[in-house]
Amino acid sequence: EIVMTQSPATLSVSPGERATLSCRASQSISSNLAWYQQKPGQAPRLLIYGASTRATGIPPRFSGSASGTEFTLTISSLQSEDFALYYCQQYNNWPMYTFGQGTKLEIK
Amino acid sequence: EVQVLESGGDLVQPGGSLRLSCAASGFTFSSYAMSWVRQAPGKGLEWVSTMSGTGGSTYYADSVKGRFTISRDNSENTLYLQVNSLRAEDTAVYYCAKTQVGKGGLDYWGQGTLVTVSS
Repeated sequence: EIVMTQSPATLSVSPGERATLSCRASQSISSNLAWYQQKPGQAPRLLIYGASTRATGIPPRFSGSASGTEFTLTISSLQSEDFALYYCQQYNNWPMYTFGQGTKLEIK
Repeated sequence: EVQVLESGGDLVQPGGSLRLSCAASGFTFSSYAMSWVRQAPGKGLEWVSTMSGTGGSTYYADSVKGRFTISRDNSENTLYLQVNSLRAEDTAVYYCAKTQVGKGGLDYWGQGTLVTVSS
């Protein structure tokens, strides 16, 4: 099983600042990596797929990048609606998806 | 507009059964694999099962293999999950989600249906 490890567990950032979330895969997954945002009581929403492609309707302040088995989600200027839980997911071993444990992005 | 709507969650005793349903609209249902993903209270996301668009291929997480059965009715644009021999650890919100074209991520999710296993 491919294990996805996210860091940090909680990230405290002020509105308007940049947030950087990390995700590491236990083995090579090429660019088969997605990021999701989840708000309390809501379903996850796809933000990024293919490690760096924004999903439909996702604003450009969200960006993804990759370096080997290390993946990063960057939110360039945090808006109030961005404070949420974020999950990474690999689909290299489709459809045996595995998710990271999540990063909670909270207001500093 | 793509819509996915789950139903069928309930309170059930250990060892019991349920059938979850997922009604989809706004896309050519038979062209896409569909998945179930669950989330235990206060926990992360866990993939449960996936079925191909034609229904010819099914996949299960080890934690549910032999107890859960995924199926679909492409004439009704509906996905199902039969959950049997339920355990306390199956308590979760069960989400239905559409797979991106090809073998990608999950681009549309329903709001989820809650399954609670308790005596």
